[in-house]
Amino acid sequence: SQQGEEDPQALSIQEGENATMNCSYKTSINNLQWYRQNSGRGLVHLILIRSNEREKHSGRLRVTLDTSKKSSSLLITASRAADTASYFCATVPDSNYQLIWGAGTKLIIKP
Amino acid sequence: EPEVTQTPSHQVTQMGQEVILRCVPISNHLYFYWYRQILGQKVEFLVSFYNNEISEKSEIFDDQFSVERPDGSNFTLKIRSTKLEDSAMYFCASSYSSYNEQFFGPGTRLTVL
Repeated sequence: SQQGEEDPQALSIQEGENATMNCSYKTSINNLQWYRQNSGRGLVHLILIRSNEREKHSGRLRVTLDTSKKSSSLLITASRAADTASYFCATVPDSNYQLIWGAGTKLIIKP
Repeated sequence: EPEVTQTPSHQVTQMGQEVILRCVPISNHLYFYWYRQILGQKVEFLVSFYNNEISEKSEIFDDQFSVERPDGSNFTLKIRSTKLEDSAMYFCASSYSSYNEQFFGPGTRLTVL
C-alpha cells in the first residue's frame, strides 16, 4: 500500500507568497518527516514531527500533524526563488524504522 | 557541519557486472540505510543496518544486493549482477537513533547499459 501521498503534485506561486503542501498517509506512525530535493540532487531534511506533536516550526517552515485524519501539512511562508524544489513527506511507521515516501510536490517560485 | 558522503557520484556499468556503492555516514550515527529513486518515481527503502547486521529490508533487496560495514567508517551497497532496471539514484542515509532524523548523502547515479 502507498504511504505518504502529497498534494498538490505541482504548485507554482509568486515570490513572497505562502506555499502549502499536504501529505496523507495510511498506517499508524512514529513520526513524519519533510524533505526537500533540488532537481537531480540529494535529499535535505527539513523537519521531523512526532506522532504526539501537533505543530512544529523551523524558521519559515510550519508543519502540522493530524493523526486522526492521518495528514500533515507543510507551510513555507514568504517564499523565495531558492525554495523552488520538490518537497517530500516521509513517514516512519510504528512497526519499523524505514522511511516510506510520497511522490512529492514540485514547487516553483516565480520571481 | 557533519554530512553523509557517497562515492562515486555517477557509475556506469554493463548489465551483469557487479557494482559497489560507497557511503561514509555521519561519524556518531548508529543506523544506516540505503534508498533508491528511479528517475521520476518515489524514493524507495532498500535496507537498514544496525549493530553490524541488517535490521530491515524491503522486497526490492533480494539476493542480488548486499550491504557491509567493512571498517568503522564506510557503509557499502553491492549489487552482484546488475540489471537494466537497477538504473536509479541510490541514496545512503544515517541517523543517531532509529526514530530520529535521517540524513542523506548526495546520491550515486547508477546507469546500467
